[in-house]
This record gives sequence, C-alpha cells and structure tokens, in this order.
Amino acid sequence: QVTLKESGPGILQPSQTLSLTCTFSGFSLSTYGMGVGWIRQPSGKGLEWLANIWWDDDKYYNPSLKNRLTISKDTSNNQAFLKITNVDTADTATYYCARMVLITTSFDYWGQGVMVTVSS
Amino acid sequence: DIQMTQSPASLSASLGETVSIECLASEGISNDLAWYQQKSGKSPQLLIYAASRLQDGVPSRFSGSGSGTRYSLKISGMQPEDEADYFCQQSYKYPPTFGSGTKLEIK
Repeated sequence: QVTLKESGPGILQPSQTLSLTCTFSGFSLSTYGMGVGWIRQPSGKGLEWLANIWWDDDKYYNPSLKNRLTISKDTSNNQAFLKITNVDTADTATYYCARMVLITTSFDYWGQGVMVTVSS
Repeated sequence: DIQMTQSPASLSASLGETVSIECLASEGISNDLAWYQQKSGKSPQLLIYAASRLQDGVPSRFSGSGSGTRYSLKISGMQPEDEADYFCQQSYKYPPTFGSGTKLEIK
C-alpha cells in the first residue's frame, strides 16, 4: 500500500526559507523508475508542478521558480524534501507530494497536502 | 512550456447524463496525458494515464481518448460521487503542466 504524507511549518514570514518533507511508504526511491514530485495549489486555484526527483537522483525543476527550489531525498528513511528560498505571499498554498512512475509519467499516488501560509 | 487549455471551466449534469471535458495542448504531446479528479478538500486522484488507460480501481464509466493536441475525458452516466474538479496534465515535456480545471456539479 503506497502512502505519502507531507509536513511543513504551517506559517512563515516573507523572505524566509520553506522546508517541506514528504514521508512515504509502499515503495522505494532506490527502485528503478520511481520518482517523487512536488505540486502546489493556492486556495481555490489550479495545480502547479514544482519539482521532481528520481531513483537515480535526477532532478527537474519548474523554470519559473528554479533558482529558489532545491529537491533532495533520503532513500534510507523513505523521505523526499523540497526547499523554497525567499518566500513571499504568492507562495501561500497547499503543497502536495506525489509518486511518479517512469513508465506512466503520471502522479499515481498523492499525499493529503500541507497548507503553508506566508504572512508578515 | 506546453500550455493546456481545458474546457469548459464549469459544467452541471443530471444524474445518469454523459459528460465530456476537453484539453487542448499547445503542441503535440503524444498521448502523454493524465486526468485527475479532486473532490472538495481532498488531494487529486489519478483517473486516466497515457490518454486512455484507466487507473486501477477507477470505475469504468470514466474513459479517456484523444491524440496529438486534443484529448477528452468522458463520464458515461454521472453519479453523485462524480461531483468534483477535474484536471488534465501533460508529461510529454518538462515542466509538466496542468489544465486550469473543470468544476463538475450535479444539476
């Protein structure tokens, strides 16, 4: 059974760094073809892909935020991480992590999401 | 980036009615298209991948079709539990991009 769960600070101030953790089970990020992505959704709005990390440590970033994003993983502890630097109010959103499998390139399992508010 | 234009933005349907939602890609995406359902307050759930393949556990009233730049999701016989937002997503090129969503309500 595949599960993912996001965790984060809840609220932070403009210019701070947002650190998110995705803790998953039911698959391994050391297995060929497995990946984890981060997607966010402002309240009442659409979905925006942020970054992917793959089993071979290949990483991809959304060019619109690339300079601010860092994705990483801890295979031993079944976790993936995302850092977003220099946040502002536009980064207020629900952040999801989701599994992506190479053969389908779709997000087949999603976490419940974590709400992040950037406010002074 | 590949732009995904999704229509309609909102839709209301009677129980049992067949509904269709469309996505138009700004360039050909070679069937690298997925459809997701998002119920209120929940995370998205994968319905269809590779344009027409039904994800395990998804009811067979959901189907996907299309090719090139035009893709559609069909629900054959609207059910109460189908009231939700629906999104398409292309994975042909990075960055993966989503359609703006369709809000489906029961009439």
